[in-house]
Amino acid sequence: LAKTTQPVSMDSYEGQEVNITCSHNNIATNDYITWYQQFPSQGPRFIIQGYKTKVTNEVASLFIPADRKSSTLSLPRVSLSDTAVYYCLVGASNTGRRALTFGSGTRLQVQP
Amino acid sequence: SQTIHQWPATLVQPVGSPLSLECTVEGTSNPNLYWYRQAAGRGLQLLFYSVGIGQISSEVPQNLSASRPQDRQFILSSKKLLLSDSGFYLCAWSDQGQGNEKLFFGSGTQLSVL
Repeated sequence: LAKTTQPVSMDSYEGQEVNITCSHNNIATNDYITWYQQFPSQGPRFIIQGYKTKVTNEVASLFIPADRKSSTLSLPRVSLSDTAVYYCLVGASNTGRRALTFGSGTRLQVQP
Repeated sequence: SQTIHQWPATLVQPVGSPLSLECTVEGTSNPNLYWYRQAAGRGLQLLFYSVGIGQISSEVPQNLSASRPQDRQFILSSKKLLLSDSGFYLCAWSDQGQGNEKLFFGSGTQLSVL
């Protein structure tokens, strides 16, 4: 399985853009990159998923360079409610490399 | 739309007592089902997953067991709880056959073993 490395924690202020980078040097050809958000005492929530280049939805953007060995979750204009733990997972279920292993994630603290 | 139900939300049990946590999914068929555990301030540990009725895979040897008696029902059990079984237990589901698998989690059960 693709091992992922993320920063343990990040701090930001309301209104700023936050970029969280995940390294996955041994990503396989069929692997997807998926990000989840978790608030205290809740289950993780799917944020965004991508395979290459850039993906954008209503809450975030995901940037994936051509070599796919890293990815960056971008949260535009964060608010206090974005304070959470963010997890990066890499895998592809149809190849047996299932993205089921959550690391320690990145704890984002947004200050007023 | 699909929903996942997990109960109870909180549970306090004495050491040595049995455990049964239930999870059900609605709005989909033949889902993959999972049980995770999260210790305070830590990441999620995958305990069990199931790709069909009666099919259970265990990720970590432990004091717990899982069963899938129906397509959309997943049960986590223990015959005798240990102090170390305390934690936040999460059930999740995903669609089968999707290369870009996405997990959808329940609201969790906070288990305290005293």
